[in-house]
Amino acid sequence: KAGVTQTPRYLIKTRGQQVTLSCSPISGHRSVSWYQQTPGQGLQFLFEYFSETQRNKGNFPGRFSGRQFSNSRSEMNVSTLELGDSALYLCASTTGGPYNEQFFGPGTRLTVL
Amino acid sequence: AQTVTQSQPEMSVQEAETVTLSCTYDTSESDYYLFWYKQPPSRQMILVIRQEAYKQQNATENRFSVNFQKAAKSFSLKISDSQLGDAAMYFCAYRSDDMRFGAGTRLTVKP
Repeated sequence: KAGVTQTPRYLIKTRGQQVTLSCSPISGHRSVSWYQQTPGQGLQFLFEYFSETQRNKGNFPGRFSGRQFSNSRSEMNVSTLELGDSALYLCASTTGGPYNEQFFGPGTRLTVL
Repeated sequence: AQTVTQSQPEMSVQEAETVTLSCTYDTSESDYYLFWYKQPPSRQMILVIRQEAYKQQNATENRFSVNFQKAAKSFSLKISDSQLGDAAMYFCAYRSDDMRFGAGTRLTVKP
């Protein structure tokens, strides 16, 4: 079974731009979660989607948004980028239950200049 | 809000020895789940072990075991017979509605 894939792996943007990151979960997984990882703040939960519906949302501004498609693939979008948005963005998929193991992708490294 | 605290930013262990990583959490929930994830350098995060809060028995996965103290809100990870491949960042995580991670403990294994 193929693992969780994230594209692109690396991205460089400038302040004020917007960016879209993509995550393809493991086949059969219906839940996708997104996390932001920075040296200062650690791993922070962004949001979780299950069957195309946002199930949970972390404490991030409205510039951060996401969606999930019918094939469970998910995208997250960050508008009006700020320097502080530079981070590793991780996506994780699971079959759906809270006790289920989350399988993480390799992440997208976003650098905002 | 639920918080997860890992008080040891860095730990070191000699190969073949045992090490314990600490984790405490704060919650008012009675039903939740706890996890330890491992993030090796430049590699993907993987699950090490998990525990359901309603289960009193401590989880064990080969060389990895936990000491779950629900009343104390403590969830430590013990790694026995440490191996070089155990070197990584270890994250304690709590899940109720969403997943909360601790700041991580960087484990070094000395040959």
